[in-house]
Amino acid sequence: DAKTTQPPSMDCAEGRAANLPCNHSTISGNEYVYWYRQIHSQGPQYIIHGLKNNETNEMASLIITEDRKSSTLILPHATLRDTAVYYCILDGGANNLFFGTGTRLTVIP
Amino acid sequence: DGGITQSPKYLFRKEGQNVTLSCEQNLNHDAMYWYRQDPGQGLRLIYYSQIVNDFQKGDIAEGYSVSREKKESFPLTVTSAQKNPTAFYLCASRNWAGGFTGELFFGEGSRLTVL
Repeated sequence: DAKTTQPPSMDCAEGRAANLPCNHSTISGNEYVYWYRQIHSQGPQYIIHGLKNNETNEMASLIITEDRKSSTLILPHATLRDTAVYYCILDGGANNLFFGTGTRLTVIP
Repeated sequence: DGGITQSPKYLFRKEGQNVTLSCEQNLNHDAMYWYRQDPGQGLRLIYYSQIVNDFQKGDIAEGYSVSREKKESFPLTVTSAQKNPTAFYLCASRNWAGGFTGELFFGEGSRLTVL
């Protein structure tokens, strides 16, 4: 699966929206964009995924550009519990998924 | 509740000893994975298995061994041949049905420290 690039860190004020970008310019047609987050010393947790259309669930929204070369994860009202490392993953069903270093989001009171 | 369980959560080992990390899932998932995570780094794939009695090496399999005798279980042995075994180990599973997959479900991890 292709690789993704994310900013190493971001800050967000508590109660504000957190917008986490991800670039995936070499994404293939069958690859979904998945987002996971990892709170310190725990296993990663699935957040959301999408193929072409924007998606929303109880945790977050995912905006995928029309050319599918980039996406943004939106946490609409960040809380202190959202402080974590967020991983953007391309998944076309292969086994060796690329987990880079992700974006460390710090929510500030 | 369905989930994936890793044990032990913390493990200390002397150099030269083998150690086995347990991973059990009751999600009826076909595919299971072992990842290694070092401080400040992403996850690296050690081994994976798509079906019982079959498994494949990932990027960093040297010094590790696995078995998949039951669908629910995928234990990882860190052998004495692994030169730098101190790390955080994560087990994951997901559906695998003719190539269609779902999201990964992760355990809480096992932290191995070699003294």
